[in-house]
Amino acid sequence: DTAVSQTPKYLVTQMGNDKSIKCEQNLGHDTMYWYKQDSKKFLKIMFSYNNKELIINETVPNRFSPKSPDKAHLNLHINSLELGDSAVYFCASSQVGQETQYFGPGTRLLVL
Amino acid sequence: AQSVTQLGSHVSVSEGALVLLRCNYSSSVPPYLFWYVQYPNQGLQLLLKYTSAATLVKGINGFEAEFKKSETSFHLTKPSAHMSDAAEYFCAVSDRAGANNLFFGTGTRLTVIP
Repeated sequence: DTAVSQTPKYLVTQMGNDKSIKCEQNLGHDTMYWYKQDSKKFLKIMFSYNNKELIINETVPNRFSPKSPDKAHLNLHINSLELGDSAVYFCASSQVGQETQYFGPGTRLLVL
Repeated sequence: AQSVTQLGSHVSVSEGALVLLRCNYSSSVPPYLFWYVQYPNQGLQLLLKYTSAATLVKGINGFEAEFKKSETSFHLTKPSAHMSDAAEYFCAVSDRAGANNLFFGTGTRLTVIP
């Protein structure tokens, strides 16, 4: 049983397109996150979402928007994709009061 | 503000040798510290964490780390490297705020030489 899953695993698309990455966790956690890992392997927090409160890293362009249809899902929508958006995107989840975050396998996005 | 610095982007050790991966942190509050491992083309897996209990923390796969406040360090060690330890290792600090965001170091790639 996969605790945190992401789809798709790979995503290749053209500049200017709009795409979504889905994330689901079956751990019953109430906080979910999106991280971006660049080509140099640097990981950076993009969003965290807890009890309908969204906390956005100020460096994230507003082309990126997380959407949570329910507590178990936090999907990432990206509008007008740019070359610099190419990266690996990781979803994670945790429970309030618990420090550990559990990560998904990542989605490798390539923008051509 | 919280941040971590990992010294050495690449570390090579012989199989059976000591593994030492360095991490120094900066935090405005007593930190929660983590080591995660990333195997090729996979997600991140928690190795161990420090949350203000015992300063010597034992994790999975024989790894351990010691929190040293005086040195603001949280170095990761393993007495004897195994080929399967070859991976990317990330140190992280939590902001311990409502969102509990993690701030990662730049990672250290561990190569194990047979």
